[in-house]
Amino acid sequence: DQQVKQNSPSLSVQEGRISILNCDYTNSMFDYFLWYKKYPAEGPTFLISISSIKDKNEDGRFTVFLNKSAKHLSLHIVPSQPGDSAVYFCAASYSGNTGKLIFGQGTTLQVKP
Amino acid sequence: EAGVAQSPRYKIIEKRQSVAFWCNPISGHATLYWYQQILGQGPKLLIQFQNNGVVDDSQLPKDRFSAERLKGVDSTLKIQPAKLEDSAVYLCASSRGGADNEKLFFGSGTQLSVL
Repeated sequence: DQQVKQNSPSLSVQEGRISILNCDYTNSMFDYFLWYKKYPAEGPTFLISISSIKDKNEDGRFTVFLNKSAKHLSLHIVPSQPGDSAVYFCAASYSGNTGKLIFGQGTTLQVKP
Repeated sequence: EAGVAQSPRYKIIEKRQSVAFWCNPISGHATLYWYQQILGQGPKLLIQFQNNGVVDDSQLPKDRFSAERLKGVDSTLKIQPAKLEDSAVYLCASSRGGADNEKLFFGSGTQLSVL
């Protein structure tokens, strides 16, 4: 049972345009969500997070939006840069800072110069 | 600050053989995790340690997988005997704990191929 789903395996955008990566979840008990970025031959690195009490969190070019009623979150990258080309994983966790993350399958983003 | 160190980087074994992976977390990080990432999937938690105690090993196939964290620092993950479906990248991660417990720092992983 896939509790966190990223239905788009890949996304290609032009440099300078907006990249939008989507993620859906099924478990309403999740209350903290994160995005990780992974380059080839490296481990994932933390990018941005959002608590379920918020609907938006911004950090520079990266913004995460959370729609709890739809059980949907998205990551916006504006403007996209070639160095953003990587695999992006969304992840969810339960309350209590357990540290246990449930990951989606990942979306490969390619930003073309 | 030094990152999470893992070794070996790559390992190729035949089925039914045994293999061990090593991890050294970021200094001061109390929580350590082992994740399995099969090609095309997201990482899946195998086991979580808090200091040298196990917090969650519900998804660890205990008939063949074992893990330990000696003195609350380094950790080893062992597979014995290996099966073809164990081919994956094994990622070690650590976190500070507390409010930052979900912000995991990952190592580069060990890519295991079981032939």
